[in-house]
Amino acid sequence: DIQMTQSPSSLSASVGDRVTITCRASQSISSYLNWYQQKPGKAPKVLIYSASNVQSGVPSRFSGSGSGTDFTLTISSLQPEDFATYYCQQSYSTSYSFGQGTKLEIK
Amino acid sequence: QVQLVQSGAEVKKPGSSVKVSCKASGDTFTSYTISWVRLAPGQGLEWMGRIIPLFGSPNYAQKFQGRVTITADESTNTAYMELSSLRSEDTAIYYCAKSNGGNFDFWGQGTLVTVSS
Repeated sequence: DIQMTQSPSSLSASVGDRVTITCRASQSISSYLNWYQQKPGKAPKVLIYSASNVQSGVPSRFSGSGSGTDFTLTISSLQPEDFATYYCQQSYSTSYSFGQGTKLEIK
Repeated sequence: QVQLVQSGAEVKKPGSSVKVSCKASGDTFTSYTISWVRLAPGQGLEWMGRIIPLFGSPNYAQKFQGRVTITADESTNTAYMELSSLRSEDTAIYYCAKSNGGNFDFWGQGTLVTVSS
């Protein structure tokens, strides 16, 4: 199975900050990389698909980049509703896998 | 707009099995893939396996091979996930999710499975 490693595991930031989360795959996955946001008690929500495409309805402050093995999720200006846990997920292989998550907390 | 509605919470004994259902509406059931993902306390999301109802053949994460069975009933637009030989570490919220080109765009509400003696 393809292993996905996110960094950092947790992050403290303030409203208005620019934040970047990285995700590394154990082998090349081309652009088959998706990003999710999950809040406590809720199902995850897709933010970015195919590495850089913003899902319909997702604010433009969210963006994704990368290909091959290294990817980033950037939030350009943190809003109060963005404090949550973020996951990357690869869909390159027939066995999907997630990163371990990045918990974004208020500083 | 797809809706996925899952069965209710379960409490199980260690060594037993649990079967969770996921009923789909709002789209052609056989046209997409249904995956099962779990979230254990203090852990991250974990993909367990998937099925394409049109073809019926599932594939599973290596970790769950031999313990999980994913099926789909086209007549009722329902997918199922059965996990056997339960242990305390299987206590988690189990989600079904529809994938569109590999990303999960619609999710069920989650089913809490508690494994306790």
